[in-house]
Amino acid sequence: ELKVEQNPLFLSMQEGKNYTIYCNYSTTSDRLYWYRQDPGKSLESLFVLLSNGAVKQEGRLMASLDTKARLSTLHITAAVHDLSATYFCAVVSGSGNTPLVFGKGTRLSVIA
Amino acid sequence: DVKVTQSSRYLVKRTGEKVFLECVQDMDHENMFWYRQDPGLGLRLIYFSYDVKMKEKGDIPEGYSVSREKKERFSLILESASTNQTSMYLCASGGGTVYGYTFGSGTRLTVV
Repeated sequence: ELKVEQNPLFLSMQEGKNYTIYCNYSTTSDRLYWYRQDPGKSLESLFVLLSNGAVKQEGRLMASLDTKARLSTLHITAAVHDLSATYFCAVVSGSGNTPLVFGKGTRLSVIA
Repeated sequence: DVKVTQSSRYLVKRTGEKVFLECVQDMDHENMFWYRQDPGLGLRLIYFSYDVKMKEKGDIPEGYSVSREKKERFSLILESASTNQTSMYLCASGGGTVYGYTFGSGTRLTVV
């Protein structure tokens, strides 16, 4: 059974600082997704990582994937208040169009 | 852009009522999914469907059923609503490397 663990679950960081969110998963997968959720809202797709060594960047967020270690990271550079949200990683079990299995999410709060 | 539309943002129902949550997607996706989201538990898969009239149980199907009579529409049914089904319900469609997964805006259901 595929399990996805994120840490930390809660993160309070100062504006301008850097930090990394970690996502570990338990079985082989060929796709990993990162989503953002604002309070009371739905999930917004951030990144899709498809292969070992994949790195994607958008603004202050950069995601990477190490399939051998079954680990993805979401790195935040020079945090700003607008990045405050909950971030989820999700993994597909096996290949093909199978459902996403989610981590519990990391609630990020960026403070001045 | 893929649109996944959930018919209600907020619903309040009484214990024992039969409840229908509707989800419509406009991108001709074969795969559709229902998740529920609860604080501290993340997103959990209730049911999914790979094609019209096909359904598969997810991790927490008890107390729920689904209907997929047309490709674009996937309905979640609470046969007899109970207070422990108070939650945020999220519908998604898609899958695969091209489209990814797109989520609807969610339905916050309260059962009283």
